[in-house]
Amino acid sequence: DVKVTQSSRYLVKRTGEKVFLECVQDMDHENMFWYRQDPGLGLRLIYFSYDVKMKEKGDIPEGYSVSREKKERFSLILESASTNQTSMYLCASSLPRDTNTEAFFGQGTRLTVV
Amino acid sequence: GNSVTQMEGPVTLSEEAFLTINCTYTATGYPSLFWYVQYPGEGLQLLLKATKADDKGSNKGFEATYRKETTSFHLEKGSVQVSDSAVYFCALSPYGGSQGNLIFGKGTKLSVKP
Repeated sequence: DVKVTQSSRYLVKRTGEKVFLECVQDMDHENMFWYRQDPGLGLRLIYFSYDVKMKEKGDIPEGYSVSREKKERFSLILESASTNQTSMYLCASSLPRDTNTEAFFGQGTRLTVV
Repeated sequence: GNSVTQMEGPVTLSEEAFLTINCTYTATGYPSLFWYVQYPGEGLQLLLKATKADDKGSNKGFEATYRKETTSFHLEKGSVQVSDSAVYFCALSPYGGSQGNLIFGKGTKLSVKP
């Protein structure tokens, strides 16, 4: 069964901490994405990557960075966590554009910053 | 720009009722359209998709038709079940065949009562 695995389901962090959210996929997908999900706002794209060591800003990159050192792993980094980053974070992966296959999502990480 | 607008919820129905969740979009070029479903406590799963005008996507009794003339992709099911209770997201991919870098609507929460 294909899988996108996020390292934590729930996290509680303090304001100002550096936070790492990890995502691993076992499908050899080129594309990987980080979204955040908030009530009433739907899903918003934070960062995405079309290849190893490559990254592109999404719609709301401020306060975040990413790392993709290996094809299967895409990490989201909160450099200095703030309370307005309390949210559900979803990782996804897919084959390259023009292949017309679905995007697969992880289970999500619910992050609370106190 | 590209955007997706879907009806706001929550939607509450009795079992075996007919379901329609409206979705309209704006896009340049020829987007692909998707419905994703998120069951409680889980990530998003692709429910159905359509890649060109007049295509009908279908899965698990749900259907949606890609209407270019009305820029719509409404989700329908003839007889809902309690197990259909979930949040439904309409989404588009502005790059045609790409499955990643999706633009999502805000989601519609469906509750089905026995």
